[in-house]
Amino acid sequence: DGGITQSPKYLFRKEGQNVTLSCEQNLNHDAMYWYRQDPGQGLRLIYYSQIVNDFQKGDIAEGYSVSREKKESFPLTVTSAQKNPTAFYLCASSSRTNTEAFFGQGTRLTVV
Amino acid sequence: LAKTTQPISMDSYEGQEVNITCSHNNIATNDYITWYQQFPSQGPRFIIQGYKTKVTNEVASLFIPADRKSSTLSLPRVSLSDTAVYYCLVGEGGGGADGLTFGKGTHLIIQP
Repeated sequence: DGGITQSPKYLFRKEGQNVTLSCEQNLNHDAMYWYRQDPGQGLRLIYYSQIVNDFQKGDIAEGYSVSREKKESFPLTVTSAQKNPTAFYLCASSSRTNTEAFFGQGTRLTVV
Repeated sequence: LAKTTQPISMDSYEGQEVNITCSHNNIATNDYITWYQQFPSQGPRFIIQGYKTKVTNEVASLFIPADRKSSTLSLPRVSLSDTAVYYCLVGEGGGGADGLTFGKGTHLIIQP
């Protein structure tokens, strides 16, 4: 089945550790996005990529890093520089000509 | 400056028609208007998209006036399962120069 997969669903890390969240899509989409969602809040854009080997910062990129070495994959690293990393992280993809985005099921990251 | 403005919350009853309006005064020529639905702990799901006038699909209608500075999502005969957060998004395909940016959304609560 075509879709977008995030893993793991739940992730626990100790403060000060970097952690990488996986996002894979087999929809042949050029554009991919990472969002952060805090309880009761909307989605905030962290990074996005419209083509392989290129990506742009969103509204809250500080403390995060990404790579786009393959069209199918857009991993997000939450670094120790991110002051409040505990949140629900959502990955999405779309074609370059459409605003219909497909979302993964999310990764809930808890840093203790 | 927020791209879109929506009511924070709305209440309605089963069987009623619900209209959620979104303001986007600074919409650009290349921007489309897209609505998403999100349930707790899940990624948003695409509902409907339009550029101008009226669009209808099996779940909703989208009304866009000629000046495109606002849009209205219409949900016919809602049920309890329509309780969710609804996001209005304005942007170019693939995110354009700014990525796909979500606002705070409207929390719709349907009562029996």
